[in-house]
Amino acid sequence: SQTIHQWPATLVQPVGSPLSLECTVEGTSNPNLYWYRQAAGRGLQLLFYSVGIGQISSEVPQNLSASRPQDRQFILSSKKLLLSDSGFYLCAWSVLRGVGEQYFGPGTRLTVT
Amino acid sequence: DAKTTQPTSMDCAEGRAANLPCNHSTISGNEYVYWYRQIHSQGPQYIIHGLKNNETNEMASLIITEDRKSSTLILPHATLRDTAVYYCIVRLLNTGGFKTIFGAGTRLFVKA
Repeated sequence: SQTIHQWPATLVQPVGSPLSLECTVEGTSNPNLYWYRQAAGRGLQLLFYSVGIGQISSEVPQNLSASRPQDRQFILSSKKLLLSDSGFYLCAWSVLRGVGEQYFGPGTRLTVT
Repeated sequence: DAKTTQPTSMDCAEGRAANLPCNHSTISGNEYVYWYRQIHSQGPQYIIHGLKNNETNEMASLIITEDRKSSTLILPHATLRDTAVYYCIVRLLNTGGFKTIFGAGTRLFVKA
C-alpha cells in the first residue's frame, strides 16, 4: 500500500531563517506531487505541483521554492522565512493518470516567530 | 474549474444521517464532483467522486442532481468521529489532481 511521510511534524523558526520541509511517498511510482499551505481557520492553498523529477510548477508568487530531486521526494524550501509563512503545510500525491484523487500526508505545522 | 458554494457549518445528531449540500451551478459537462474531509490537524481525506450518476462507497453516498448544478454528500449514520470540515470540489478528471481548489468547506459538528 502507498504511504506518504512528512517531517518534521511541528517546527518553530525565527523570521529570516531558512526552511526545508521534506515529503516522501512509498508504494507508488511516478506520482504527481503537491505542496499546499493552510493558514489558521482557512482553506488549502496550492503552492506547487510536480509531474516528474525536476519538473515544478508554482501556483502563487512567494518566497518559497520546491524541488523534486527523486521520483518520490518533494522538498519545500525558503531562504528567509517571513511571519506570513506560518501555517500548516501539507504534501499530497496522486497517480499520473486516473481519477485524480489526492492522498495527503500528516502535515507540518510551521510557526514563524 | 467551477466554483462551489457550501454552507459554513452544520450540526448533526450522532447516529442520524448527515446531508451536506453543495452548489456548483457553473459546472461543465466533463467536470467531476469530488468530496474530501479534513479532521482537525490532519491532512484532507478523499471520500468519493462522481460525474452524473449517484455513487456509494463504504464511507458515504453522493447524490448529484439531474442538471448537475448541485450535489449532496450523505453520511448515513454519523458518528462523533465524522466531525470535520467537508470540502466539495469540481474539476476535470484528466487533470490528475492539478489545480484542485479547496474552498472553505462545511464544518460538520456531530453531537452526542
